[in-house]
Amino acid sequence: EAGVAQSPRYKIIEKRQSVAFWCNPISGHATLYWYQQILGQGPKLLIQFQNNGVVDDSQLPKDRFSAERLKGVDSTLKIQPAKLEDSAVYLCASSLDPGANTGELFFGEGSRLTVL
Amino acid sequence: AQSVTQLDSHVSVSEGTPVLLRCNYSSSYSPSLFWYVQHPNKGLQLLLKYTSAATLVKGINGFEAEFKKSETSFHLTKPSAHMSDAAEYFCVVTGGNTGFQKLVFGTGTRLLVSP
Repeated sequence: EAGVAQSPRYKIIEKRQSVAFWCNPISGHATLYWYQQILGQGPKLLIQFQNNGVVDDSQLPKDRFSAERLKGVDSTLKIQPAKLEDSAVYLCASSLDPGANTGELFFGEGSRLTVL
Repeated sequence: AQSVTQLDSHVSVSEGTPVLLRCNYSSSYSPSLFWYVQHPNKGLQLLLKYTSAATLVKGINGFEAEFKKSETSFHLTKPSAHMSDAAEYFCVVTGGNTGFQKLVFGTGTRLLVSP
C-alpha cells in the first residue's frame, strides 16, 4: 500500500518569497492534516480537512498561510510571504477516522523549509 | 484543553538495557493517549495507543505503556533496547466532547542507544 506522498522534500527560499507544498494522502483516507514541526518541538496542527471541507484551521496563520483540497484527495499548503519563523518541517498526514479517535494517523516524510 | 509533558528531552541507554520514556498528561475529558516514533528523515509512525480499554498497552517492536490515571502518566517502556530504537518519540493526547478531536503532541524525547 502506498503511503502519504509529499513534495518537495526540501525547499530553501528567502523571506517574503512564496512556497507551496503538495500532499497526496493514502487512497481512501477522507481526513487530511497539515502539521508544522519546528526544530525541537512537537508537531502542531495547522489545518484539518474532512474530504474537501475544513474541520479545524484555528492555528493556521491565515494572513500568510493557505491550504486547499479541492477534489477531496490531494492538498496544497501555501505560504506567502514567508517569514524566518516559518522555517520548519511541514508534515502531511491522513486517516480513515475523521475524529482522530483512534489516533492512527499516517504521516508523510515531510517537507523541510528553510527561510533565509 | 489537553496537553502532554514529556519529562526528558534526551534519554541515553546502552543496547540491551531497559528503556523508560516519561509522559504526563492533562485532560478535561477521558483522554486517549498515543506514542509515535520518528526515525531520522522518516515519517511519524504510531507505536501504540490507549483508548480506555486495558491500561497496559502493547505496541510494535516490543514497546509497551501503562496508563495510570492516579498519576496522570503514560510512560513508554521496553525491556531491552536495540540500536534500531534510536529515534525521537512523541507522546500524544486527544480527547473532548466534540466529534472532531485534535491530537496534541508533546515536545518529544530523543532516545540514544549506544553499543
